Amino acid sequence: GAGVSQSPSNKVTEKGKDVELRCDPISGHTALYWYRQSLGQGLEFLIYFQGNSAPDKSGLPSDRFSAERTGGSVSTLTIQRTQQEDSAVYLCASSAKDRAGDGYTFGSGTRLTVV
Amino acid sequence: GQNIDQPTEMTATEGAIVQINCTYQTSGFNGLFWYQQHAGEAPTFLSYNVLDGLEEKGRFSSFLSRSKGYSYLLLKELQMKDSASYLCAVSGASGGSYIPTFGRGTSLIVHP
Repeated sequence: GAGVSQSPSNKVTEKGKDVELRCDPISGHTALYWYRQSLGQGLEFLIYFQGNSAPDKSGLPSDRFSAERTGGSVSTLTIQRTQQEDSAVYLCASSAKDRAGDGYTFGSGTRLTVV
Repeated sequence: GQNIDQPTEMTATEGAIVQINCTYQTSGFNGLFWYQQHAGEAPTFLSYNVLDGLEEKGRFSSFLSRSKGYSYLLLKELQMKDSASYLCAVSGASGGSYIPTFGRGTSLIVHP
């Protein structure tokens, strides 16, 4: 697609429920990143996918968080047994390998609210 | 790991020039980025520096000194629409990859 697409744009869920957030990167972008941004805070790195390589999961805050990327394209971030501190905007970004000068293109994010 | 520092907030007058500084410490370096983020919106890419020196793009310029771990974003002829958060990000080594780490952002308020 023309840009990075994320869905849903907003999600309200009850504490303890599982949620799935979706990211569809720019076609041809092999690198995909998930970040989260809490109110007034910077972007916190969660996970990074590059092509078919094993993902870098070093930013995942707990084992309740997991992500997969199917066919090197669409990615899903899953949060199990959500907690109130998971409330944040979850941003996905993609980039083309070896095109660092083009920067990373972000989606509009999913605003997750855990009540 | 990476550590990035930038001022929390700055104010400036419409038509003026403002410089937003960013200092960083990183293991491995593969470039420094500046992003603009308006409230409630996604960050948008402004600039990329990987070599020392100044990169100019219209009203926006970005400078890098790798030896000092220092960068600045210069905004000229400020407009009201430039009121936003400006994020400094460094692509540093994480395992075998380069992953961008973002600073907390500098909230710029442009007043008439």
